[in-house]
Amino acid sequence: GAGVSQSPSNKVTEKGKDVELRCDPISGHTALYWYRQSLGQGLEFLIYFQGNSAPDKSGLPSDRFSAERTGGSVSTLTIQRTQQEDSAVYLCASSLGAADTQYFGPGTRLTVL
Amino acid sequence: KQEVTQIPAALSVPEGENLVLNCSFTDSAIYNLQWFRQDPGKGLTSLLLIQSSQREQTSGRLNASLDKSSGRSTLYIAASQPGDSATYLCAVFGNYQLIWGAGTKLIIKP
Repeated sequence: GAGVSQSPSNKVTEKGKDVELRCDPISGHTALYWYRQSLGQGLEFLIYFQGNSAPDKSGLPSDRFSAERTGGSVSTLTIQRTQQEDSAVYLCASSLGAADTQYFGPGTRLTVL
Repeated sequence: KQEVTQIPAALSVPEGENLVLNCSFTDSAIYNLQWFRQDPGKGLTSLLLIQSSQREQTSGRLNASLDKSSGRSTLYIAASQPGDSATYLCAVFGNYQLIWGAGTKLIIKP
């Protein structure tokens, strides 16, 4: 079956522009996670969805970051007024339930010039 | 605050050797611990998941152990192969998120 997919695979944008990143989880997975991996840094948790609700938004770095999930499936991560420090690989993962194995997408590499 | 540490940061061994990667965590209140591998420029692949009530999990040449009371996990790789070269990451799941170690970069020399 299809794994987690993310689009676009690469995104280059200018500082100050808004970007939208998309994640299609594995069908039937109720939990969805966003992480980011900055160059030379470890993986950083951003947000978690159970169904369409996000009980934990504590990982979002600033109020320029927002995320939503609709229909218990597709999720979008939006970054407004992008800054150079937002440059990173943004990874999405889904799992059957909250504490089950997380399956990762290939990531979106975001470069802010 | 949960902190996850992986030692060593890098490891280079000849093909065929058995090896152990180490992971430690500071807060024993975890649901599970997961080991992943990351290949350069690629995503993350889940290797093993150990529930907090379990002591070990095995998959092929991989064996992961968990000692929750001491905050430690090990990933044992038997008969290493060049294809095992990758960065290995451990992550503990608690409070609805994975907290990650920095990884061990493993190179298996043919």
